[in-house]
Amino acid sequence: AQSVTQLDSQVPVFEEAPVELRCNYSSSVSVYLFWYVQYPNQGLQLLLKYLSGSTLVESINGFEAEFNKSQTSFHLRKPSVHISDTAEYFCAVRPYNTDKLIFGTGTRLQVFP
Amino acid sequence: DAMVIQNPRYQVTQFGKPVTLSCSQTLNHNVMYWYQQKSSQAPKLLFHYYDKDFNNEADTPDNFQSRRPNTSFCFLDIRSPGLGDAAMYLCATSRTGGFHQPQHFGDGTRLSIL
Repeated sequence: AQSVTQLDSQVPVFEEAPVELRCNYSSSVSVYLFWYVQYPNQGLQLLLKYLSGSTLVESINGFEAEFNKSQTSFHLRKPSVHISDTAEYFCAVRPYNTDKLIFGTGTRLQVFP
Repeated sequence: DAMVIQNPRYQVTQFGKPVTLSCSQTLNHNVMYWYQQKSSQAPKLLFHYYDKDFNNEADTPDNFQSRRPNTSFCFLDIRSPGLGDAAMYLCATSRTGGFHQPQHFGDGTRLSIL
């Protein structure tokens, strides 16, 4: 069985400050890793994904995440956040042998001016 | 742009009155999913289709049914909605041929029960 843990339910931060949203997972099989973002009253949008290769992956809007196999983590970071980054962020894993996504409980990022 | 479209965005129904939510896609993806998302919670998978093959999650209530008449459309039917079924319902699609394919989500239908 697989599980995803997002340790922080809410992360308040001031604009232009750095942020890290933590994600740890547990799985008996290899998994693909994803971060999704959800803005209010919208569906989920893929932010970035780790499939293989370089353990550091980047999105087009300045977010990055690093896969750490030994710590089974996939933390999301941004060096300088904007007000527009305020949203709910979901970490998810997809086992190699299935089409199902297993989501964490989400982290609400609130950026203050 | 290719996308996943859910209608309506907001649906209000009465306790016990059947309701249908719809999802359409222009991505030509063969896998479609329905999720239920309650406030401040992660999306919970209800069921999914590989083409026409229906896959129900073990803990999905019998009250929830689904239809997929063709590749582009998928419906969620709630036969007798209860107050606990008030939630955001999300439709998503993906391709097979590689489990690394991400899921593409619609904007959801927010269901309220009176």
